[in-house]
Amino acid sequence: SQQGEEDPQALSIQEGENATMNCSYKTSINNLQWYRQNSGRGLVHLILIRSNEREKHSGRLRVTLDTSKKSSSLLITASRAADTASYFCVNTDAGGTSYGKLTFGQGTILTVHP
Amino acid sequence: EAQVTQNPRYLITVTGKKLTVTCSQNMNHEYMSWYRQDPGLGLRQIYYSMNVEVTDKGDVPEGYKVSRKEKRNFPLILESPSPNQTSLYFCATLNYNEQFFGPGTRLTVL
Repeated sequence: SQQGEEDPQALSIQEGENATMNCSYKTSINNLQWYRQNSGRGLVHLILIRSNEREKHSGRLRVTLDTSKKSSSLLITASRAADTASYFCVNTDAGGTSYGKLTFGQGTILTVHP
Repeated sequence: EAQVTQNPRYLITVTGKKLTVTCSQNMNHEYMSWYRQDPGLGLRQIYYSMNVEVTDKGDVPEGYKVSRKEKRNFPLILESPSPNQTSLYFCATLNYNEQFFGPGTRLTVL
């Protein structure tokens, strides 16, 4: 299985501050994705970074990837109360039909206080 | 609108009473998957399907069955539910590395 483990487990910050979450994985990687989950709801895809990329931006999101350390980080800049959610990472194979088992970590619970 | 639907959204049942949670997608994706989510354990994959008539076990398949007779539907079957299957269940599809999740089914087994 392809596994992501997020760190820290919980993060509490004030609105306007930046939030950084980390993800480590054990297997080889082709792509890594980050998802957000609002309480009790389905996960929503945020951003994907490919193995040949080191950094990617999408709005207030910045994702980095270090394949030598098998780790990724998600940075949310200028956080808002609406960013309060759980964040998960998972790595998947690139295309084809070889997705197989997918394993999510426990996620990072982010709380942004107004 | 691209979507994954699950039914029912909420279900309270009793031990041993067979139930089925349906999942349907309108995106023509080949890959579909079921997860359960429990406090402190994150999302764990139950079963997945790479295409019609192709299913395989995830990390926690015990006590569950699935079928994939057509591309759009991937029902999750609990033949004899037990209280330890009380959980929040998500169905998802996967296409080009992006997963699309259903809204979730909260199941309580008494």
